[in-house]
Amino acid sequence: QVQVVQSGAEVKKPGSSVKVSCKASGGSFSSYAISWVRQAPGQGLEWMGGIIPIFGPANYAQKFQGRVTITADESTSTVYMELSSLRSEDTAVYYCARAGVRGSYSWIDPWGQGTLVTVSS
Amino acid sequence: EIVLTQSPDTLSLSPGERATLYCRASQSVSYRYLAWYQQKPGQAPRLLIYGASSRATDIPDRFSGSGSGTDFTLTIRRLEPEDFAVYYCQQYDNSPYTFGQGTKLEI
Repeated sequence: QVQVVQSGAEVKKPGSSVKVSCKASGGSFSSYAISWVRQAPGQGLEWMGGIIPIFGPANYAQKFQGRVTITADESTSTVYMELSSLRSEDTAVYYCARAGVRGSYSWIDPWGQGTLVTVSS
Repeated sequence: EIVLTQSPDTLSLSPGERATLYCRASQSVSYRYLAWYQQKPGQAPRLLIYGASSRATDIPDRFSGSGSGTDFTLTIRRLEPEDFAVYYCQQYDNSPYTFGQGTKLEI
């Protein structure tokens, strides 16, 4: 059974950066897309970007281009999402989730437990 | 970018009734690359349907999906108390892999 486990909650100052980790266990890692999806308080789901480790470069939503960096460490089956120039509107739960099939951005299953990032002065 | 619009925003029903949720895409979604998720408060989303009509593992058969092109439907027949939640559709045809704004199913 594949599990996706994320790092813990973070509190950050405006203008700083946050780096959230996502470790996949119990299944193949490198050939599955890992996506990052965020959810602001009381709001819907927003796809930020993702990476298929075996293929290399990440794929970002234009809204986050230049502010988000997604990387993968195949040796530890861990994907990282770093968001810079944080502002209060970035306060959200950040989910990582694995694609359902190898080699493409398919449906998403399973999901991590979510990481709350709070941006506050 | 493919914009997904879900309707209605809120659906008020009772246990035992049938729920029909809609998801309309701003352009055709190829190969029926559309998924539905259920989310309960404080929980991560849960995959219900992929490929527009295939049920995910362990999803009861009272959940069904249909549609193609730009119009998709999630139907829940005989609502159970645990089905009251927020439902999202997502397209995975073109990046960015967008979500609809959600439909809240309430008692």
